[in-house]
Amino acid sequence: DSGVTQTPKHLITATGQRVTLRCSPRSGDLSVYWYQQSLDQGLQFLIQYYNGEERAKGNILERFSAQQFPDLHSELNLSSLELGDSALYFCASSVQLDSPLHFGNGTRLTVT
Amino acid sequence: QQQVKQSPQSLIVQKGGISIINCAYENTAFDYFPWYQQFPGKGPALLIAIRPDVSEKKEGRFTISFNKSAKQFSLHIMDSQPGDSATYFCAAYTTSGTYKYIFGTGTRLKVLA
Repeated sequence: DSGVTQTPKHLITATGQRVTLRCSPRSGDLSVYWYQQSLDQGLQFLIQYYNGEERAKGNILERFSAQQFPDLHSELNLSSLELGDSALYFCASSVQLDSPLHFGNGTRLTVT
Repeated sequence: QQQVKQSPQSLIVQKGGISIINCAYENTAFDYFPWYQQFPGKGPALLIAIRPDVSEKKEGRFTISFNKSAKQFSLHIMDSQPGDSATYFCAAYTTSGTYKYIFGTGTRLKVLA
């Protein structure tokens, strides 16, 4: 168990809807990363936060947004969902910016 | 320049054999190179990592070989076991500029019993 908690584990929703994915980092970890993994694809970096502030942005769509709260948990909001947004969304955390990543078990999003 | 190219995409090895996965990068600012192992339904887990000041790191049956001049690094799994069957991702990280990990596209390893 990595200590990173992601909820929900599974999410099924319809096109056009909005969902929120939640991540609780390991205790003491200040940095949170979000990645998208489509079927048989690699890990696409979406966004990174450190101690509440956005530090890096990857290929995150404008329909997606995220934030890290004062208690360090993070939420990834996906809106106007499309079929192509169906994927596994992983959260990872690290103690510092240059520390190893620890991944949660992901949220599997299915858009129908 | 931010890419990490990983090969092969899939690999089948007999039990007891050596599994070799290769990665190449272009950005010389990368200074930390971890490998992650992912089982179905789970998140990737850190397996082993290396920094560019050493050419090799070994942990049990897992070895990273690093060639700084060629900008390549590889994962060797000795005495491969069926339990090693998983997807392996290489990654690269830089502490300069924006802080983020760049992952390879993954290698699906199957070890035959």
